[in-house]
Order: sequence, then C-alpha cells, then structure tokens
Amino acid sequence: NAGVTQTPKFQVLKTGQSMTLQCAQDMNHEYMSWYRQDPGMGLRLIHYSVGAGITDQGEVPNGYNVSRSTTEDFPLRLLSAAPSQTSVYFCASSYRRSPLHFGNGTRLTVT
Amino acid sequence: AQRVTQPEKLLSVFKGAPVELKCNYSYSGSPELFWYVQYSRQRLQLLLRHISRESIKGFTADLNKGETSFHLKKPFAQEEDSAMYYCALSAQRNSGGSNYKLTFGKGTLLTVNP
Repeated sequence: NAGVTQTPKFQVLKTGQSMTLQCAQDMNHEYMSWYRQDPGMGLRLIHYSVGAGITDQGEVPNGYNVSRSTTEDFPLRLLSAAPSQTSVYFCASSYRRSPLHFGNGTRLTVT
Repeated sequence: AQRVTQPEKLLSVFKGAPVELKCNYSYSGSPELFWYVQYSRQRLQLLLRHISRESIKGFTADLNKGETSFHLKKPFAQEEDSAMYYCALSAQRNSGGSNYKLTFGKGTLLTVNP
C-alpha cells in the first residue's frame, strides 16, 4: 500500500490564482481530513469527510473547498489564493477507530 | 469545545537526561488522547495513544483525568528523539466514531544535545 499520497510536494502561487491539492489513499479508509500546519499554531483542521459524498467544515474552512466523489480521493481547492494561505498542508485518513495516517504534506507559498 | 495546551514551544535536554513533554486538555466528555511525532521534513506519525497503554521508543504517557493531563515521558533521551511532538485529542471515542477529527496542540520542538 502506498498509504496517503499528496501531490504536489511544493507549489508557488500568485495572489488570486486557484489550484487543487490532491490527496489519495489506497487503504479504503472512510474518513479523510485536511489540516494546515503553521509555525506556533500547530495543526488546524480545514475540512473533513466521513465518506464519499459527505464533507464538513473544520476549524479554518474559509477560502477552501473540498469534494469527495470517491472513497480514495479528497482534493482541496483554493479558490483565490491569498498570502495568508501560505502553509504546509497535510491530508490524513483513518478507518473507524484507527489513528490518523498522514501524507507527506504539500508546502504552499502564495506571493 | 475541546482544547489542547502544550505549554513549551521548545525543550532542550542532553542525551541521557530524562525528558517530559507536557500536555493539558479541556473537554467535558471522555476524550481519547494521542501523541504524534514529526521528524525533520517527514510526515506526522502516531507515537502513542492512551488506550493502548504501550511504551513506544521508550516513551510512555499516562492519562490523568484529575489533572486533565497526558504528559509524554522518557527516562533517557536519545539524539534521534529530536523532533516536533504534538499532543492531540479526539472527542469521538464514546460515540463509536473514528478519530478523524483531532484537535492538536501547538507542538513542542524537542532537541536532544550530544
């Protein structure tokens, strides 16, 4: 199993551009989440999904959209990038009461 | 609402010294607590969960409901323990749900000096 795969690893955007961060898992996990990691802030939940077709907002959802059309994929869309969205983004998945499995992260810089 | 507090941003110890990383939480129900570790430029990975009552890489953590704490301890630190450590709380345990929605502390960067 590849586990949780995130692409790209690095991305630089200009303010106002849009892009999609990809996340895929091959463990048939029901639950998938997106977190952002910022210095001194820890990890904060952006959006999460409890299954295909079901998504909900986390702690810091503004400026981000998600969808879950399949069990495997959970893309995160930045509609109009802002410098405040410069961060490291982690996708994670889990099955029932198992702990979260994290991807390697996407380092995003918005100029 | 739940909250996780890690009071130390940075912690520096010498090799062989004991180390304790503090974690306090607030939650009205019965939480499930975790410690995650992130080595330099690697993904986060689970270190411990309180329901397992395990010792991983020499680390232990005991849930103290009276003090609402879940401190991480190791009697003899090693240089390879240098990493960022996150305490996390899940409020899903009693509902039978998954631990997909964790509340993380801000993390403690542990440096073990030779």
